[in-house]
Amino acid sequence: SQQGEEDPQALSIQEGENATMNCSYKTSINNLQWYRQNSGRGLVHLILIRSNEREKHSGRLRVTLDTSKKSSSLLITASRAADTASYFCAGGSNYKLTFGKGTLLTVNP
Amino acid sequence: NAGVTQTPKFRVLKTGQSMTLLCAQDMNHEYMYWYRQDPGMGLRLIHYSVGEGTTAKGEVPDGYNVSRLKKQNFLLGLESAAPSQTSVYFCASSVPAVDETQYFGPGTRLLVL
Repeated sequence: SQQGEEDPQALSIQEGENATMNCSYKTSINNLQWYRQNSGRGLVHLILIRSNEREKHSGRLRVTLDTSKKSSSLLITASRAADTASYFCAGGSNYKLTFGKGTLLTVNP
Repeated sequence: NAGVTQTPKFRVLKTGQSMTLLCAQDMNHEYMYWYRQDPGMGLRLIHYSVGEGTTAKGEVPDGYNVSRLKKQNFLLGLESAAPSQTSVYFCASSVPAVDETQYFGPGTRLLVL
């Protein structure tokens, strides 16, 4: 079963705009991770937020985690065409990850 | 460092044939994982290994076997391929003592006719 459900399934924005993706998960987790997948490629780790953290930043990325609502959000600021990819959240527990179905982000030049 | 590599990149099988997918990592990672990704889906865990000589079942293990004879290699076997096993297979590795980030290979695209 999928751990997370991303929302929206697809998002199209203009370069320079911000992109926000949401993720809801079902079971308890130790951490929540976000990965990016370019078309036809493997997944690349973006950021990890632990269950006792509320917010984390990395460059143009901002992740929040609300364990009471079992939800997380990923904000990409000042988006670029190169950010076009699928983005997956994954709940981490006992060193295993359970992935959501992903959000396809398209950034138009 | 090559990171995580997978062999082959693409393969076509007929129903009932067998094959082995090879995953290799040169990062001395302890844990290794096999996932499958189907269209419109996230990754689902097939099997994983927490160290040389150990393996465990994931979410969708049926029809697959694995072996971890060497720390750097993790093999995924299909004994009798079925069309339902048409998918893209990803291998990953991690070092839990550091954090739970997983490092992924480029994937193997498998088509079973």
